[in-house]
Amino acid sequence: RKEVEQDPGPFNVPEGATVAFNCTYSNSASQSFFWYRQDCRKEPKLLMSVYSSGNEDGRFTAQLNRASQYISLLIRDSKLSDSATYLCAPTGSSYKLIFGSGTRLLVRP
Amino acid sequence: DTAVSQTPKYLVTQMGNDKSIKCEQNLGHDTMYWYKQDSKKFLKIMFSYNNKELIINETVPNRFSPKSPDKAHLNLHINSLELGDSAVYFCASSQFRTSEPLFGPGTRLTVT
Repeated sequence: RKEVEQDPGPFNVPEGATVAFNCTYSNSASQSFFWYRQDCRKEPKLLMSVYSSGNEDGRFTAQLNRASQYISLLIRDSKLSDSATYLCAPTGSSYKLIFGSGTRLLVRP
Repeated sequence: DTAVSQTPKYLVTQMGNDKSIKCEQNLGHDTMYWYKQDSKKFLKIMFSYNNKELIINETVPNRFSPKSPDKAHLNLHINSLELGDSAVYFCASSQFRTSEPLFGPGTRLTVT
C-alpha cells in the first residue's frame, strides 16, 4: 500500500460546481496534514493546513478523519483559476512531508 | 522579494557530467530541503538540513551530495549524471523542522 494515495483524476467540472477530493494515508502516527496546489510547470504552493476539527478558508474546506486515515478537500463555487493539481501531504517520521501524486482538477467555462 | 530562489532554472547536460544546483532563502528559516519530482509527478524528499545539520537523508544515490554553507543556503551537487536523474528538483525551506515547507521555483534537469 502506498503511503499516500490520491485519485489522479482529472476531475472535470463546470464553473460554479462543488468538488471534493479525498486522500488516504497509511501512517497512523502522522501528526500534521496539508493540502498544496501545483500549477503546470510550477512549484507546489501551500493551500491550507488540515486541523483535527476541520477548517475553512473561503471556498475551501479541509477535513481530517483520523479513524479512517483520510483527509479531504472541498472546493465550493469552482473558478477557472482553481484548475491545478492538488497534492495532499501528511507528515511521516522526522516530520517530513509525504506527498501524494496529486489530483488534477479542470474547471471549464 | 522574500522567497526561496534556485539557480539555474533549466539545466541540460550529458550523461556522466557533474553539475550543481544552488538554493538560497532570505526568510530566516531554520530548515531547508531538496525534493525531486519525476516525470510521473511524484514529489519525494531527498534531504533536509536544520541549522546546517543534515536531519533527513532519504535513500538517495551517493552521487547526490548536499552542502549547506550556512542557514540560508543549500546546494545540491550531482556526480556522474544518469538519464534517470532527469527530473525537476525543488528546494524548499520552513521556519522550523515541524513547519510546512515553502518551495522554490524548481530546476528542470534534463540528462541526455
